[in-house]
Parts: sequence; structure tokens; C-alpha cells
Amino acid sequence: GEDVEQSLFLSVREGDSSVINCTYTDSSSTYLYWYKQEPGAGLQLLTYIFSNMDMKQDQRLTVLLNKKDKHLSLRIADTQTGDSAIYFCAESPGYSSASKIIFGSGTRLSIRP
Amino acid sequence: EAGVAQSPRYKIIEKRQSVAFWCNPISGHATLYWYQQILGQGPKLLIQFQNNGVVDDSQLPKDRFSAERLKGVDSTLKIQPAKLEDSAVYLCASSFGTSGSRFYEQYFGPGTRLTVT
Repeated sequence: GEDVEQSLFLSVREGDSSVINCTYTDSSSTYLYWYKQEPGAGLQLLTYIFSNMDMKQDQRLTVLLNKKDKHLSLRIADTQTGDSAIYFCAESPGYSSASKIIFGSGTRLSIRP
Repeated sequence: EAGVAQSPRYKIIEKRQSVAFWCNPISGHATLYWYQQILGQGPKLLIQFQNNGVVDDSQLPKDRFSAERLKGVDSTLKIQPAKLEDSAVYLCASSFGTSGSRFYEQYFGPGTRLTVT
């Protein structure tokens, strides 16, 4: 079945880089996503990567995809206090249901001064 | 552009009572989703509409949950009767469309936090 796994917590020092990792099981995933959820708010799409790409960079965000290992990572450069949130990895399993998204349980990122 | 609106933001009910949540998607968005997010977990899709038709309701507990989107715009999700395990945040999202070969970003509302006692 479809499953997305990620570690529950990550603590980094302000100004350092944060790397959040995720593994997924469905090899037919078409899109892979990173969402951000701040307290009391809905989810906000940060970035996504198409399955035929290895890397995508968007300002402070870098997404790396290793399809062989079914591993996705999100790197946040120069982490700031405003980056404190829960980050969800997610996948869309296949063309036939491209809009259906399977979410991981989220990684809570906390920033140390 | 106004975002996805949801109400109420918070609701506390006793088990076996009924509750309804309302969602108004972004104007022009054909697809509407209801997710259940239990504390400490990621959102789980309950039901997906395209316009006023159901695309996927495979994970909706149909014995107690129902949802409608009669005019293809706003939507209501109902739970009757509620159980303790229904305590969660109910998120509504909308997207421009749905297609097997194109990406459509889902925009999420702030959610309704339901506590069943």
C-alpha cells in the first residue's frame, strides 16, 4: 500500500541548515510535495517535485529526490525562527489519481537561538 | 484572492451528538476536498468532489459521515452520531481542477477543531 514516513522531530540552531527526510513506498508516485503547517493554520504548499527530476531549488529551499531509494529530502538554508512549523512530506500515487495526496505524519522543526 | 473559508473554527460536542462543518472554496475552484487530521498525524482524505460530483469517498465512514456539495461551490461535512475517535481537525481544501496529467495545487483552509467528549 501507499505509505509515507518521516521522523517526528528536528531541532536546529538559527542560521544553520535544516534537512528533513522522508521515505515513501509507492514507486508510481508522480508528484512529491513538501507542505508547511503553522500552529492553528491549514497546510501551505512549500514546493513540489515531479518524479522525473532529481533536484529542485527555490530560494532557501532545496528538494532532493532519490527514486531508487524512494527518499525525498527538504533542505532549508539559513533557518530562521519563522521556519518553526510542522513539515509534511506527501506523494501523489500515479497519473490516474494525480490529485489524491498521501501525507506523512509530519516533522516538527524547532529552532534554537 | 480570498482563501478557503471554514466554519466553525472550534466545536466541542458530546459523543452521540451531531455536528456539521462548512467550507467555502476559492472562487472558480472545481475540486473540493475534506481531510481529517488526527493529532500527531498527517491529513487523511475523507472525500473529494469535482463540481458537485463525488470523485473519491473510499475513506469516508459512511455509516456516520456524510458530505454534500449541492451547487458545486460550498460544501458541508456532517457527523452523526459522533464518536470519541472523531476528535480531530477537519480540513477543507480546494484546487482549480483535477486531471491525470496535470498538477493542481491544493489550497487549504484553517480547519475546524472538533473535540468529542
